[in-house]
Amino acid sequence: DADVTQTPRNRITKTGKRIMLECSQTKGHDRMYWYRQDPGLGLRLIYYSFDVKDINKGEISDGYSVSRQAQAKFSLSLESAIPNQTALYFCATSDLANQETQYFGPGTRLLVL
Amino acid sequence: QKEVEQDPGPLSVPEGAIVSLNCTYSNSAFQYFMWYRQYSRKGPELLMYTYSSGNKEDGRFTAQVDKSSKYISLFIRDSQPSDSATYLCAMSTLYDKVIFGPGTSLSVIP
Repeated sequence: DADVTQTPRNRITKTGKRIMLECSQTKGHDRMYWYRQDPGLGLRLIYYSFDVKDINKGEISDGYSVSRQAQAKFSLSLESAIPNQTALYFCATSDLANQETQYFGPGTRLLVL
Repeated sequence: QKEVEQDPGPLSVPEGAIVSLNCTYSNSAFQYFMWYRQYSRKGPELLMYTYSSGNKEDGRFTAQVDKSSKYISLFIRDSQPSDSATYLCAMSTLYDKVIFGPGTSLSVIP
């Protein structure tokens, strides 16, 4: 089984809809991250969490919110989806001592119409 | 100016060629330098990691860091079709978040 899983893998939604992307990990890592990837822009950090009680905004947090339900679970919500949120979304984890090594999930491909 | 810049390519080389991938950066406080490889429709995975300046070799891959020039490189010797992927450089300061470059798309043609 994969160490970092994301659901759903693909999602099509309409403008204005609320959508949640979920991430689970079995690596026992404290740190979890949400990124979006766009062609030519690379990976941009949306939110990150260093433990269950810690949530931090990243480079592009507007329009997004997160919830860290447990050490192993970190969810990303789009409260009211808009077309420019169409992107590939990745969840990642790392441990405290080796944050340079991030383990990525398989990604969620989101299309907002 | 972006913190980390990387030529997006695409880069196409024949099998067996030596490949050079490069990134430049602006933050002199970066101490940790990474290269991630991302296959199509997959998440990135760490390929190599270097602390501070110098070279690191792992099989056919060599990572170089020149902090004085704020320039890092990844060399791939005897490139194989299986090396076809997008390569993302990444860097960070101690305890701070990792900043990724936009990635370079590489195709190795048999």
